[in-house]
Amino acid sequence: AQTVTQSQPEMSVQEAETVTLSCTYDTSESDYYLFWYKQPPSRQMILVIRQEAYKQQNATENRFSVNFQKAAKSFSLKISDSQLGDAAMYFCAYRWETSGSRLTFGEGTQLTVNP
Amino acid sequence: NAGVTQTPKFHILKIGQSMTLQCTQDMNHNYMYWYRQDPGMGLKLIYYSVGAGITDKGEVPNGYNVSRSTTEDFPLRLELAAPSQTSVYFCASASSGGKRGEQFFGPGTRLTVL
Repeated sequence: AQTVTQSQPEMSVQEAETVTLSCTYDTSESDYYLFWYKQPPSRQMILVIRQEAYKQQNATENRFSVNFQKAAKSFSLKISDSQLGDAAMYFCAYRWETSGSRLTFGEGTQLTVNP
Repeated sequence: NAGVTQTPKFHILKIGQSMTLQCTQDMNHNYMYWYRQDPGMGLKLIYYSVGAGITDKGEVPNGYNVSRSTTEDFPLRLELAAPSQTSVYFCASASSGGKRGEQFFGPGTRLTVL
């Protein structure tokens, strides 16, 4: 079964600095998608970035980028120039390409941004 | 275009009671999902549906039932509520797999069973 592990329950960063959140996963599939979701105190799930496994190029969305290491099954999120609004719980998720494209989530990393 | 809507937002249920959480999407998505999120944890899949009349179990289906009679609606039924079902419940929908398969989430329902 596919599993997703986030080994950092909590992280903190100074405003304007860079922080990296870690995620590892386990799968026997060769084609899949990986996602990072942000969950602020409002509880709304917000998609931050996605990575297609067959693409070697790392995805980037403005200040957010990923380091995707397929062989190592690692998918970390880098947040550059951190802002107070980045403070939230961040979830890494694996999408099954069979079984209705359902998501398996990690346990989450609580990010604090210090002014 | 409201996206994914869930009702109620909050509810307190007594042990042994039953209730239905409602979920509706107006994006004409074929795929719909129910997740639960326990405090400080990630989301776990309860049930999902790939189209009207088709449902399947996820990781934690015990104590729940679903039906999908229309594309728009995917209600979640709790039978004989137990304290272990205290959680936040999220409904989500997606058009399909592939690049367009992004899941859109509702705002969640906070359920307490006492």
